[in-house]
Amino acid sequence: ETGVTQTPRHLVMGMTNKKSLKCEQHLGHNAMYWYKQSAKKPLELMFVYNFKEQTENNSVPSRFSPECPNSSHLFLHLHTLQPEDSALYLCASSQDEDSYEQYFGPGTRLTVT
Amino acid sequence: GEDVEQSLFLSVREGDSSVINCTYTDSSSTYLYWYKQEPGAGLQLLTYIFSNMDMKQDQRLTVLLNKKDKHLSLRIADTQTGDSAIYFCAERDRKLIFGQGTELSVKP
Repeated sequence: ETGVTQTPRHLVMGMTNKKSLKCEQHLGHNAMYWYKQSAKKPLELMFVYNFKEQTENNSVPSRFSPECPNSSHLFLHLHTLQPEDSALYLCASSQDEDSYEQYFGPGTRLTVT
Repeated sequence: GEDVEQSLFLSVREGDSSVINCTYTDSSSTYLYWYKQEPGAGLQLLTYIFSNMDMKQDQRLTVLLNKKDKHLSLRIADTQTGDSAIYFCAERDRKLIFGQGTELSVKP
């Protein structure tokens, strides 16, 4: 596999469920990102990890919990979400967080019922 | 705060040129980008321009930067139906700040 992959591609969950989104990059990069994309709104940066350390948390509610066990994998653990959390969640990676080029995965379409 | 603005829609005929415009507020931006998002896919980097450049050309794509007016544009020559997508402008100082995207519709 090449590039940035995300699983699952689609997820429907109830407000009381717990689920996790997974991102994997095969590019040898050291920085990984979670973004939220809502319809007709700019992409919102959620979290940044650089060499497995979290360097940015953009005031994200605690019902979203990221985990970066190594430079190739990034997770987003979800619990007690709200319907307004329904969106496309995009993962990206770059050589490091100062690198000018980010590579994006295809995203996970999340629907909270 | 930092802000990037784009118009939401653009419709052109196949073979015409498309021009997608973007304005930004952060004067300390180092790089400015254009990303393309096709339906069901993530963002694909199309091109970028360093802030000390005025223009960059890459095959059918021309990027113009007016740093004084904080205005960035993307021109697509000979627009094809395969160019139909959402185009995002982004600027970077410490992190990437995206606009809300312009949906380009190409009619045959």
